[in-house]
Amino acid sequence: KAGVTQTPRYLIKTRGQQVTLSCSPISGHRSVSWYQQTPGQGLQFLFEYFSETQRNKGNFPGRFSGRQFSNSRSEMNVSTLELGDSALYLCASSLVPGTEASGNTIYFGEGSWLTVV
Amino acid sequence: KNQVEQSPQSLIILEGKNCTLQCNYTVSPFSNLRWYKQDTGRGPVSLTIMTFSENTKSNGRYTATLDADTKQSSLHITASQLSDSASYICVVSAGVTGGGNKLTFGTGTQLKVEL
Repeated sequence: KAGVTQTPRYLIKTRGQQVTLSCSPISGHRSVSWYQQTPGQGLQFLFEYFSETQRNKGNFPGRFSGRQFSNSRSEMNVSTLELGDSALYLCASSLVPGTEASGNTIYFGEGSWLTVV
Repeated sequence: KNQVEQSPQSLIILEGKNCTLQCNYTVSPFSNLRWYKQDTGRGPVSLTIMTFSENTKSNGRYTATLDADTKQSSLHITASQLSDSASYICVVSAGVTGGGNKLTFGTGTQLKVEL
């Protein structure tokens, strides 16, 4: 079955602009989470969505927002872009959040590379 | 504050040799610990997941251990191959009131396997 799909894969934006990234989870997966990865900071949790509701949120400013649609697809938006927002943004999906069963693997997409100039 | 620390930061080994990567965490309440492999420019791929009651889990040449008392985990790679060159990330999940998990990521160990 198809994996987690993220679009676009690469994009360049100017400071002050906004950007929207899209994520389609694995079919049947209802939980989607977003992460920012930078060389110095590693992977950092942005937010998690389940059934169109934000379940958890990381420590990011309000410029970072997201949403989930009824078909479990998710988007994240970053407004008023700053140079420091340049990063790889990863989306991950799983069946449901919070289960400890070893079968509930979190699958990551290939990411969207954002460069802010 | 939940934290995950990995060591070493980077490692170079010869093909065929074994190696062990370390992960120490201070995450509460602990839910599970995962090891991921991330090739350059790609998304992370899950290697193992361990809950509180599991102290070892294998996936082919990869064996992860967990000591919940000392809050330490290790990932042992046996008979390394060139394709093992990647970043290995330790991820600890904390249970969240109301459901869900909050993941804390280590910064990874960059492994390079050479001929």
